[in-house]
Amino acid sequence: DQQVKQNSPSLSVQEGRISILNCDYTNSMFDYFLWYKKYPAEGPTFLISISSIKDKNEDGRFTVFLNKSAKHLSLHIVPSQPGDSAVYFCAASAKPGGSYIPTFGRGTSLIVHP
Amino acid sequence: SQTIHQWPATLVQPVGSPLSLECTVEGTSNPNLYWYRQAAGRGLQLLFYSVGIGQISSEVPQNLSASRPQDRQFILSSKKLLLSDSGFYLCAWSADRGFNYGYTFGSGTRLTVV
Repeated sequence: DQQVKQNSPSLSVQEGRISILNCDYTNSMFDYFLWYKKYPAEGPTFLISISSIKDKNEDGRFTVFLNKSAKHLSLHIVPSQPGDSAVYFCAASAKPGGSYIPTFGRGTSLIVHP
Repeated sequence: SQTIHQWPATLVQPVGSPLSLECTVEGTSNPNLYWYRQAAGRGLQLLFYSVGIGQISSEVPQNLSASRPQDRQFILSSKKLLLSDSGFYLCAWSADRGFNYGYTFGSGTRLTVV
């Protein structure tokens, strides 16, 4: 059973427009959420995170929104650039026993066209 | 600064052969260490994690094993590889910082079992 779901395997966006990547989760114990970006043949790199006490976190062109009641978060990239083309993983974590170990979604492949 | 090294970058092994992937972290002590696998069309699956020397937790029953002989060294092994072991293997580390934490991934190993 997938606790973190990224239902769109791919997304295509024009350069300069907004990219919106979505993520849903089922475990109400999750209290920390992260987005990672991954280029082919490389390890994922941390992009942005948000804790459950917030509903928005912004870092430059990247903004993550959290809707706890809907168990939904989204990553907005504005404006999108060709270098943003990558696979984006959503991850969520809780601390039931003392260690944060995130659960990852399957990823969304973003393609930004020039 | 902290760095994580993972090798080899690519590996082609025949079915039934042994496997040893190594991961080392520099610039920190007592890191939490993780092995993930990204199989084709799937997300990042946690295989093993370790919070200290000799302490290994397995998340998924499988043909693989992990060891942590030194504080900053994490090894993924198999005695006999299966075709289903093919995938992209990622080592990661984190520091137990409490509320703020992040996972840093290595560059990955592409394993193809033939």
